[in-house]
Amino acid sequence: SQQGEEDPQALSIQEGENATMNCSYKTSINNLQWYRQNSGRGLVHLILIRSNEREKHSGRLRVTLDTSKKSSSLLITASRAADTASYFCATGGGGFKTIFGAGTRLFVKA
Amino acid sequence: SQTIHQWPATLVQPVGSPLSLECTVEGTSNPNLYWYRQAAGRGLQLLFYSVGIGQISSEVPQNLSASRPQDRQFILSSKKLLLSDSGFYLCAWSASPGNTGELFFGEGSRLTVL
Repeated sequence: SQQGEEDPQALSIQEGENATMNCSYKTSINNLQWYRQNSGRGLVHLILIRSNEREKHSGRLRVTLDTSKKSSSLLITASRAADTASYFCATGGGGFKTIFGAGTRLFVKA
Repeated sequence: SQTIHQWPATLVQPVGSPLSLECTVEGTSNPNLYWYRQAAGRGLQLLFYSVGIGQISSEVPQNLSASRPQDRQFILSSKKLLLSDSGFYLCAWSASPGNTGELFFGEGSRLTVL
């Protein structure tokens, strides 16, 4: 069964706008990760946030984690056409059985 | 630096034919290895994972099997493919021990069963 569920399923924005994607999960976690997948390619790890962290930044990415609500959000600021991709949250106890959600498809219009 | 290779990139096979997808990792020792399958427009389904040579754990009962004949080699096989085996297969590795949970993916193998 899926652990992470992303919302929205698809998102279309203009270049320069911010994109926010949400992820909800069901059970306790050690960490939550976000991955990016360009069409037809493998997934690339973006950022990992541990269960004892609330917010993390990496370049134009900002991830928040609310363990009381079992949810996380990924914010991409000042989006670019090259950010067009699918974004997945993944949860697990580290390494084994990392469970992925169905993803959010982001389309950034130039 | 570590790299992961996966092949073939694309495969079209008839129903009932065998399958062999191969994955190798370079630049690391004793990795955890994984096979995921992704249906079109969907998330990833974990099929198999391995923590060492000859150690395979299956997550989903199916007509697929996996083997790990060498430390950095992971093979996905089937004796007789079904139409439902079509999909995008992704190999991944993570560090062991003391891993952070970060997965490193290959570029995928797209399988079409006709």
